[in-house]
Amino acid sequence: DAKTTQPTSMDCAEGRAANLPCNHSTISGNEYVYWYRQIHSQGPQYIIHGLKNNETNEMASLIITEDRKSSTLILPHATLRDTAVYYCIVRPPGWGSARQLTFGSGTQLTVLP
Amino acid sequence: AAGVIQSPRHLIKEKRETATLKCYPIPRHDTVYWYQQGPGQDPQFLISFYEKMQSDKGSIPDRFSAQQFSDYHSELNMSSLELGDSALYFCASSSGTSGPNEQFFGPGTRLTVL
Repeated sequence: DAKTTQPTSMDCAEGRAANLPCNHSTISGNEYVYWYRQIHSQGPQYIIHGLKNNETNEMASLIITEDRKSSTLILPHATLRDTAVYYCIVRPPGWGSARQLTFGSGTQLTVLP
Repeated sequence: AAGVIQSPRHLIKEKRETATLKCYPIPRHDTVYWYQQGPGQDPQFLISFYEKMQSDKGSIPDRFSAQQFSDYHSELNMSSLELGDSALYFCASSSGTSGPNEQFFGPGTRLTVL
């Protein structure tokens, strides 16, 4: 699976958009970009995934560059409850298999009041 | 919506004892994963099962074993416990037939080995 690089930590003001970058320059053509987050000591929570097109769901938006070497997770209106470690993970799809997630160091996002 | 259930939520054991952790996946999910998260560390993959067969194996010690049963629940058996086994153990489930098969995690079992 491709390696990812994320900033160690970021702060964001409550109510503002949080933009979390991720570099994955060695991504392969069939690998998806997944974002998970982990609020302190809770189970990791799936946020969003994408292949090449930008994606949006009720939680966040995912912007993937045209060359697919980097992406940005956007939380449009951050709240204090969004304080968590955010993980960007790249891996192939898992049709008919059980491919694990490889968690890197992630970005500690702190939303400030 | 139904989520992944793990039991027990907390477990305290002595060194060299055994422990069994249970995981009940989301209904209709056929794939189960186990992860270990030590203090201050990121989750590390241990083992996974797809349709009751072992699929992938990560950094799981030989002292640990796991299986997935006919109702798709899974158990992680840990023997000869060591102090270093103290960690959060997460189970996740997914549907192996749903494309990118995002994983949904349970609340975890906190194991403390004294």
